[in-house]
Amino acid sequence: AAGVIQSPRHLIKEKRETATLKCYPIPRHDTVYWYQQGPGQDPQFLISFYEKMQSDKGSIPDRFSAQQFSDYHSELNMSSLELGDSALYFCASSSEMTGGSFIGYEQFFGPGTRLTVL
Amino acid sequence: AQKITQTQPGMFVQEKEAVTLDCTYDTSDQSYGLFWYKQPSSGEMIFLIYQGSYDEQNATEGRYSLNFQKARKSANLVISASQLGDSAMYFCAMREEAWGAGSYQLTFGKGTKLSVIP
Repeated sequence: AAGVIQSPRHLIKEKRETATLKCYPIPRHDTVYWYQQGPGQDPQFLISFYEKMQSDKGSIPDRFSAQQFSDYHSELNMSSLELGDSALYFCASSSEMTGGSFIGYEQFFGPGTRLTVL
Repeated sequence: AQKITQTQPGMFVQEKEAVTLDCTYDTSDQSYGLFWYKQPSSGEMIFLIYQGSYDEQNATEGRYSLNFQKARKSANLVISASQLGDSAMYFCAMREEAWGAGSYQLTFGKGTKLSVIP
């Protein structure tokens, strides 16, 4: 079965540089979530999209922006990178319209992009 | 606001024995879902088990079972017959599940690191 694809898997950047993380959800999934997991921390919700529209926003810095495209893939753009941005970035996808049970709303996580800012 | 508390930073269990990982939660939502995820050292987030707030029976998935006590607001994970491959970080998470909530992002606990001893 197809899974969530994230690219790149690893990324090394210098301070003040920009980075773009990509997420390709499971086919026919219409919702994408982005999470940030710092070293030794729990994942924190950043932002979500449903049908290409932003549906909710969490603790996402103003330096970050994201969007979901017509093919449902999503990109997280990060500018003016700081050392504290070093983290594992997860994308998760779900299908909001799967049946009437919330079991259908399970979020499937991608393998993550490990960003290191030097 | 939702909050997940995992009070055990680390746990040890002998191979083939059962282990319980604690999770308590706090929410004002009437309808919510509880999840457990496993995160090996490789970093991926692996879904283990789900419990809906209105489910009267405890969820089970193979060697995993969720001991759901709604009045106590606890959702402990029980792993039976531990295996060496169970050594990993385990996260308890929850989300609101009211229809029309707009977004169903997960709130995670701090995690419990489980080590299985041969």
